[in-house]
Amino acid sequence: EIVMTQSPATLSVSPGERATLSCRASQSVSSNLAWYQQKPGQAPRLLIYGASTRATGIPARFSGSGSGTEFTLTISSLQSEDFAVYYCQQSKTFGGGTKVEIK
Amino acid sequence: QVQLQESGPGLVKPSQTLSLTCTVSGGSISSGSYYWSWIRQPAGKGLEWIGRIYTSGSTNYNPSLKSRVTISVDTSKNQFSLKLSSVTAADTAVYYCARSPRGEGDPLFYWGQGTLVTVSS
Repeated sequence: EIVMTQSPATLSVSPGERATLSCRASQSVSSNLAWYQQKPGQAPRLLIYGASTRATGIPARFSGSGSGTEFTLTISSLQSEDFAVYYCQQSKTFGGGTKVEIK
Repeated sequence: QVQLQESGPGLVKPSQTLSLTCTVSGGSISSGSYYWSWIRQPAGKGLEWIGRIYTSGSTNYNPSLKSRVTISVDTSKNQFSLKLSSVTAADTAVYYCARSPRGEGDPLFYWGQGTLVTVSS
């Protein structure tokens, strides 16, 4: 069973700054990784799939990279609406999440 | 545009069976190559994958829940369902249904809004 580990658990960032979130797989998952954003009281929303492909309607400030076991979600310039919890997922496994909060 | 909507009792007694239904609109549940999944989230915690059913009818379950979970499809109603038996307070969570294409790590493009199920006597 693949284990997905996200870091950090909490990331404090000022609006306009860059945020870098990490996700590590316990074994290679090639490029088969997705990222989700979840705001309080809402269902998760798909941001990135295939490690680097933005889902429909996702702003260009969100980018994904990586392959194998190491993956990164970058938000280039944080907007107020980006403060949320972010999860990575590979097939049947989710990471524990990273909360991006206002610094 | 595919839409999913969960429904079912919001309160279940301990030791009983939790039953939820996901109604799919905007597309046929029996066409294409898709996984129809259930995911849950206890209050203040992360997402837990419960299981899924493929268009062909084959199923996969979370090993930690496998002995208690059944996912099935009713193509005549364009619905799929979750049954979780012998529930305890630890099964209290928001339950989501979702759809993913098969492949590329099975990303979940479409989600229901979620439904809160509380296990309590």
